Amino acid sequence: EIVLTQSPATLSLSPGERATLSCRASQSVGSYLDWYQQKPGQAPRLLIYDASNRATGIPARFSGSGSGTDFTLTISSLEPEDFAVYYCQQHNNWPLTFGGGTKVEI
Amino acid sequence: EVELLESGGGLVQPGGSLRLSCAASGFTFSSYAMSWVRQAPGKGLQWVSIFTGSDDGAFYADSVKGRFTISRDNSQNTLYLQMNSLRAEDTALYYCAKDRCSNCNTFDYWGQGTLVTVSS
Repeated sequence: EIVLTQSPATLSLSPGERATLSCRASQSVGSYLDWYQQKPGQAPRLLIYDASNRATGIPARFSGSGSGTDFTLTISSLEPEDFAVYYCQQHNNWPLTFGGGTKVEI
Repeated sequence: EVELLESGGGLVQPGGSLRLSCAASGFTFSSYAMSWVRQAPGKGLQWVSIFTGSDDGAFYADSVKGRFTISRDNSQNTLYLQMNSLRAEDTALYYCAKDRCSNCNTFDYWGQGTLVTVSS
């Protein structure tokens, strides 16, 4: 099973600042890595698929990069609605696995 | 507009069974893989099972293999999860999720979830 390790566990920032979230895989997943956002009481929302492709309707301030074992989600300038938990997920191998999440808080 | 509506959750004793349903609308259901993903209270996301859209195959997380069975009825646009031999650690909010394509294994739409509580 591929283990995804997200860091940091919590990121404390202010609106307007840049957020950089990391996801490291225990073995290569190629570019088969996605990012989701989850707000309290809501279902997750797809942000980025296949490492760097923004999903439909996702603002340009969200970007993804990386390949192999190291991936990054960047939020260029935090908006108040961006404070949430972010998960990465790999779909290169069975079973599909998620990282433990990074909470972006004010 | 894509909509996914889960139902069937509830309180069940350890060793019991439940059948979850996910009614889908707003897209060609038969053309997409569909998954179940769960989230224990206060915890992260865990993928449970997928029914592919291409070759009608099914895959499971090791923690549920042999106990859970995923199925779909394309004529009714409904996904199911039959859960047997339930354990306390199966307690979670169970989400139905639509795949981005027939076999992308990326989840572009999610339901609001149905809560399963396994307790005596």
